[in-house]
Amino acid sequence: EVQLVESGGGLVKPGGSLRLSCAASGFTFGTYTMNWVRQAPGKGLEWVSSISSSSTYIYYADSLRGRFTISRDNAKNSLYLQMNSLRAEDTAVYYCARATGLAWFDPWGQGTLVTVSS
Amino acid sequence: QSALTQPASVSGSPGQSITISCTGTSSDVGGYNYVSWYQQHPGKAPKLMIYDVSNRPSGVSNRFSGSKSGNTASLTISGLQAEDEADYYCNSYTSSSTVVFGGGTKLTVL
Repeated sequence: EVQLVESGGGLVKPGGSLRLSCAASGFTFGTYTMNWVRQAPGKGLEWVSSISSSSTYIYYADSLRGRFTISRDNAKNSLYLQMNSLRAEDTAVYYCARATGLAWFDPWGQGTLVTVSS
Repeated sequence: QSALTQPASVSGSPGQSITISCTGTSSDVGGYNYVSWYQQHPGKAPKLMIYDVSNRPSGVSNRFSGSKSGNTASLTISGLQAEDEADYYCNSYTSSSTVVFGGGTKLTVL
């Protein structure tokens, strides 16, 4: 069964850092582009970042302004998102998703909640 | 990158058909046939319903169909059922090699 499981979310103070992980199983992780997508409480989906299969191509949403860093370890079947200088507006459920096509995300993980609050 | 434009809400009665629009620009929706649609029930992760404008993944009901004209993509759900009540999101590949989502549409089955 193809599965993605996020972890690492929690409560962090403004200005703090957090590292999210996404463990993949059931498919050849190292051959797929992976993405992070977030959803603020009661709001819509927002694409955050993508990383190609061999980490050659990395893209971020303009709104992140260099605060987030995506990475992967194909040997560990894992995707990561390092988040620095966190702000209240970064509060959201963060999903990892496999990109089977250029904008075709399937499956998605169950999400991990990040809350930025003092 | 501005979000794609979707109606905030649509509604329909069981058995009817509804269409949700997703409007972008020539730099995203209009420039590529890489538009996807997702269904999200409350508290759940999104589920892929349509990819590359009009293709249905295995297991998705043929009541769901997608199309595109110019800068606007559309999702049509025919034979509405109670379980179709959910939020629906479109997304598109962009000329910056990024992805942009629509604001989402809440579908109410009356």
